[in-house]
Amino acid sequence: QQQVKQSPQSLIVQKGGISIINCAYENTAFDYFPWYQQFPGKGPALLIAIRPDVSEKKEGRFTISFNKSAKQFSLHIMDSQPGDSATYFCAATGNYQLIWGAGTKLIIKP
Amino acid sequence: GAGVSQSPRYKVAKRGQDVALRCDPISGHVSLFWYQQALGQGPEFLTYFQNEAQLDKSGLPSDRFFAERPEGSVSTLKIQRTQQEDSAVYLCASSGRLDLSYEQYFGPGTRLTVT
Repeated sequence: QQQVKQSPQSLIVQKGGISIINCAYENTAFDYFPWYQQFPGKGPALLIAIRPDVSEKKEGRFTISFNKSAKQFSLHIMDSQPGDSATYFCAATGNYQLIWGAGTKLIIKP
Repeated sequence: GAGVSQSPRYKVAKRGQDVALRCDPISGHVSLFWYQQALGQGPEFLTYFQNEAQLDKSGLPSDRFFAERPEGSVSTLKIQRTQQEDSAVYLCASSGRLDLSYEQYFGPGTRLTVT
């Protein structure tokens, strides 16, 4: 199946807290899992990505955790800041065609 | 010469009108993609170009939708006889390497409203 399921739909986190967004996929042919960040009125911007041969990837405050056997991956935002307030999309692909989750609207409360 | 640009940013069309949406990819990028993003949803793939060749148009919702990239750079998405269900943000993305065509850089989108 092509679907990528993302949760939660919306998330409110206090400044300095950890934001966690989860995604699950079905198609075992997927071999690249990016996360995109989208601000209102802007296009999505690539944030961080992982391949299934790695269980975790960290870039600054952003970490992807990947569980190949469970076909799940998640985005963790450490020390969340008000500037992180945006909509986050997970995606998956085995070629050029990105299959997107429905998005998570993240609000960081100061 | 920064990122992907799209024009117009906003377009209001009366039902039945034809519209043309333009995408200027990052200079030198081989791959170009069009997506449709409904309000509160993730983008959905429409079509893919490698240089001037349209390699995949499986996501185009109907034969009213047509895309072209005649010289392998600028692309135009045309929608004929617009319908209300065509209202969405249309995103264009480009990618510089064929082996990394999943690393896509997006423009700001064109918001189309069909009244």
